[in-house]
Amino acid sequence: AQSVTQLDSHVSVSEGTPVLLRCNYSSSYSPSLFWYVQHPNKGLQLLLKYTSAATLVKGINGFEAEFKKSETSFHLTKPSAHMSDAAEYFCVVSDRSGFKTIFGAGTRLFVKA
Amino acid sequence: DAGVIQSPRHEVTEMGQEVTLRCKPISGHDYLFWYRQTMMRGLELLIYFNNNVPIDDSGMPEDRFSAKMPNASFSTLKIQPSEPRDSAVYFCASSTRVTGANVLTFGAGSRLTVL
Repeated sequence: AQSVTQLDSHVSVSEGTPVLLRCNYSSSYSPSLFWYVQHPNKGLQLLLKYTSAATLVKGINGFEAEFKKSETSFHLTKPSAHMSDAAEYFCVVSDRSGFKTIFGAGTRLFVKA
Repeated sequence: DAGVIQSPRHEVTEMGQEVTLRCKPISGHDYLFWYRQTMMRGLELLIYFNNNVPIDDSGMPEDRFSAKMPNASFSTLKIQPSEPRDSAVYFCASSTRVTGANVLTFGAGSRLTVL
């Protein structure tokens, strides 16, 4: 079975400083992994996806994530936080069929001025 | 494209009433998913369809919940009778095998409050 664990329920950073949101996954095969973002009272938006091509994946809004098989991690980073990045972020793995996605519990990112 | 359209955006109803949530997927998308989001349980997949056919409904909590997709451009999620514990935000999402069936485009959600 597949699962994802988001290691932090809340992360707080100052504007202009780096962002690190941590995600570990469990899968018995090569997984497809995603990060989605949800702004308050909005639907979820895809940030980036990993599907066994390059291990460093670049997404929208300056975010990127690195797939590390040895560490079973898929952490999301951004070099410099912006106020507009304040939102909830979800790490997601899909099952073998590729159709059934399993969401992590989410990490809420706070950005201080 | 207008994206995935959900209605109503907000619904307040009394326990025991029937609730119907609606979703219009992106044109050309052949997968449709219904999710429920609560503080306690996070995002849960309820059911998904491929080419209007239900593929996996193992996430549907109980018989009070039913979902249909009569055609490629419309789906409903019905709760009858509703209970206070059904209060949640319900999201519809769609995808296409062309860009990856597991790459989801979400609607804005329907916030349900059952009193």
